[in-house]
Amino acid sequence: GAGVSQSPSNKVTEKGKDVELRCDPISGHTALYWYRQSLGQGLEFLIYFQGNSAPDKSGLPSDRFSAERTGGSVSTLTIQRTQQEDSAVYLCASSSLRGYGGGNTDTQYFGPGTRLTVL
Amino acid sequence: QKEVEQNSGPLSVPEGAIASLNCTYSDRGSQSFFWYRQYSGKSPELIMSIYSNGDKEDGRFTAQLNKASQYVSLLIRDSQPSDSATYLCAGPFSGGYNKLIFGAGTRLAVHP
Repeated sequence: GAGVSQSPSNKVTEKGKDVELRCDPISGHTALYWYRQSLGQGLEFLIYFQGNSAPDKSGLPSDRFSAERTGGSVSTLTIQRTQQEDSAVYLCASSSLRGYGGGNTDTQYFGPGTRLTVL
Repeated sequence: QKEVEQNSGPLSVPEGAIASLNCTYSDRGSQSFFWYRQYSGKSPELIMSIYSNGDKEDGRFTAQLNKASQYVSLLIRDSQPSDSATYLCAGPFSGGYNKLIFGAGTRLAVHP
């Protein structure tokens, strides 16, 4: 079946503009995650959705960042008043939550990412 | 102490050799671990998951989990130049729900 998809694949914007990044998870996956990866760095957790609710927003770097998920499917990450330090690859992942509760953590499958460049 | 730690490398091995990648974790209660491979400019892709103590083999890859010592490793046999990538180790978040904590990754270079 189809994997995780993200759009746009590349986004170039000017400092101060707002951007919206979209993630379409694997069909049937109830958990959705957003990460950020700066050049040469590891994955930085941003936010986790279980269904439409976000029990963990601890990774959002500032109040300029927000995310929503509707219908338990597509998620949008919005960055307001972008800054140059926001330039990074934004990765989305989804998992099925089938194993959780039995002591196992479900595999996360990643989308191709959105490369954001703030000029 | 970070929850999941890896040596950043680079780890350089000759083609055909065994590459050994290691990862340590802090939460003794962790039960699930994952190895992801990430090529430059690409997103992480799952190589293996391991839930039980011992070894798990899949082709040229073997994952090893030692819960007593709190480490997990990935062995790549007959290393190929195409294996050159960054390998990310991930384990469960200790806060009690379905979230993974990723190590910073180990860069592997396989030279002909």
